[in-house]
Amino acid sequence: QQPVQSPQAVILREGEDAVINCSSSKALYSVHWYRQKHGEAPIFLMILLKGGEQKGHDKISASFNEKKQQSSLYLTASQLSYSGTYFCGTENWLRTGTASKLTFGTGTRLQVTL
Amino acid sequence: DARVTQTPRHKVTEMGQEVTMRCQPILGHNTVFWYRQTMMQGLELLAYFRNRAPLDDSGMPKDRFSAEMPDATLATLKIQPSEPRDSAVYFCASGLGGTAHTEAFFGQGTRLTVV
Repeated sequence: QQPVQSPQAVILREGEDAVINCSSSKALYSVHWYRQKHGEAPIFLMILLKGGEQKGHDKISASFNEKKQQSSLYLTASQLSYSGTYFCGTENWLRTGTASKLTFGTGTRLQVTL
Repeated sequence: DARVTQTPRHKVTEMGQEVTMRCQPILGHNTVFWYRQTMMQGLELLAYFRNRAPLDDSGMPKDRFSAEMPDATLATLKIQPSEPRDSAVYFCASGLGGTAHTEAFFGQGTRLTVV
């Protein structure tokens, strides 16, 4: 089940903040966040597991709301280097008690300008 | 500098031809993924292996795609016969452990064009 990302695209000025959301229609086991620059490979940002945890990496952090079945990625004081497409990937709980395979959303295109 | 290596980087082929893409995972990684990326579908997981055993290939069209790991240092993805709709960027990624706790390291991809 493909997660839904919003917004699809966002343009920021350097120094501004942004939030990217990732929602699933099924119970989440984990959420993975990646960033991909044009013509390059996706780069890992972070993984969040069930339990409502929050993680941070420099000025990029994420939360995982198990109850709402969603995750949000927070970019604070954006830099030009943050430009790219952000993907969330989700693993859902299956009836067997195991996790489904990782499925990525269609991405959020972020552009940071001067 | 550990990285996932994919060859070729670009491939243009005629419809009906066989295409083989190769991937060398990071040494020591036991999980290998094959992804396909298109504008329309985004990133799709085609197959993945753990300790060289295929765990899930439900994302692959079985009639024309096949994925193998002849040894721990080589993963292959074959398309036979290729079709124009197979045109995409194919990424290989590797990691340690299962998908739930695995940071996947992606290769630079193979850009396939089938004409």
